[in-house]
Amino acid sequence: QKEVEQDPGPLSVPEGAIVSLNCTYSNSAFQYFMWYRQYSRKGPELLMYTYSSGNKEDGRFTAQVDKSSKYISLFIRDSQPSDSATYLCAMSASGGYQKVTFGTGTKLQVIP
Amino acid sequence: AAGVIQSPRHLIKEKRETATLKCYPIPRHDTVYWYQQGPGQDPQFLISFYEKMQSDKGSIPDRFSAQQFSDYHSELNMSSLELGDSALYFCASSSPRGGELFFGEGSRLTVL
Repeated sequence: QKEVEQDPGPLSVPEGAIVSLNCTYSNSAFQYFMWYRQYSRKGPELLMYTYSSGNKEDGRFTAQVDKSSKYISLFIRDSQPSDSATYLCAMSASGGYQKVTFGTGTKLQVIP
Repeated sequence: AAGVIQSPRHLIKEKRETATLKCYPIPRHDTVYWYQQGPGQDPQFLISFYEKMQSDKGSIPDRFSAQQFSDYHSELNMSSLELGDSALYFCASSSPRGGELFFGEGSRLTVL
């Protein structure tokens, strides 16, 4: 069993919809949680970075972390066709030079 | 803002040949990570360096080696290449105070 589980999708939504992306994990040592967006044949791009439990909002993106349930979410409001990409959750135990473990990624398609 | 620079962007090699990938981290970032991403796969952690010393090791084959130099750039050397080594190789950098990884555009290696 992988340390980080993520539904691979694909997830297809109409433009303007609210998108919910989720990951579960098994390692209780994880404290740093990240969401990356990856366009085809490009490097992952950091979207959100949170430490420990709680919510963080940045524009149309909201990240939630529930450490008690070992569950993290990314919400995208007013989704746009340009949001079509693969979204990878990632987490690490101590940040810094500690290795980061990725989920398998969810492929999102926003239909105009 | 300066980003992580990887070279070459594309590389074609034959089986049993050797390849070298280079990574230049974001200025003042002293931690470098190497990831391998196969087609449709999540990035798999290979190895990381902090202040020119290996800090963590993941699923890096014995045929691969890497190092970080005094100017903090890093090189990944791959020998006796196999068809299965064909992948996108990402380099990422971070500062030890944060946990955020910033990825380069990747180097696409094709082994024929």
